[in-house]
Amino acid sequence: EVQLVESGGTVVQPGGSLRLSCAASGFKFESYSMEWVRQVPGKTLEWVSLISWGGLTTYYAGSVEGRFTISRDNSRNSLYLHMRSLTSEDTAIYYCTKAARQLSLRAAADSWGQGTLVTVSS
Amino acid sequence: QSVLTQPPSASGAPGQRVTISCSGSSSNIGSNNVNWYQQVPGTAPKLLIYTNDQRPSGIPDRFSASKSGTSASLAISGLQSEDEADYYCAAWDDSLNGFVFGLGTNVAIL
Repeated sequence: EVQLVESGGTVVQPGGSLRLSCAASGFKFESYSMEWVRQVPGKTLEWVSLISWGGLTTYYAGSVEGRFTISRDNSRNSLYLHMRSLTSEDTAIYYCTKAARQLSLRAAADSWGQGTLVTVSS
Repeated sequence: QSVLTQPPSASGAPGQRVTISCSGSSSNIGSNNVNWYQQVPGTAPKLLIYTNDQRPSGIPDRFSASKSGTSASLAISGLQSEDEADYYCAAWDDSLNGFVFGLGTNVAIL
């Protein structure tokens, strides 16, 4: 069974930094691209970032480009999101997702974690 | 304002059919696959349809979808109470180099 467990969400001050983690299990992690998607509670979904299965290719939403860095450690079956220069607009639930097809960059997200809440507030 | 346009709400009585539209452009729906997600309040989204019209295993055939040009649609037939949820369309956007989501459609069972 595929499992994605996010952690690291907390309250952080504006301008601060944070690292989110996602522990993956139940599938061959190194063969799937992974993404972060966020959602302000009660609002729509917003795609944040994508990383290829080997980690060589990354994409970012314009709203986080230059401030967020996605990375992965295939030896630890883990995905990360390094966030800096945080503002109130980054307050959201952050979901870790897995691509539906192996070795594909633009596949649908067929598995989602439960999410971790990041609150940017003084 | 989202790149993909969906109606904010839709409703139907149990057993009826509901259709949700998703309108995009040549850089997203017009040139890439459309996926649909279902989100029951308080839970994580779930993949409902991938690659325009494919259902993952476990998704009942009451759910169907199609794509034509720069638009897509999701149909739910034989509405059930458990179908009350928010539904989002999504597609890769070649201009933005990332996925874009619709604002979501809340489906209510009358």
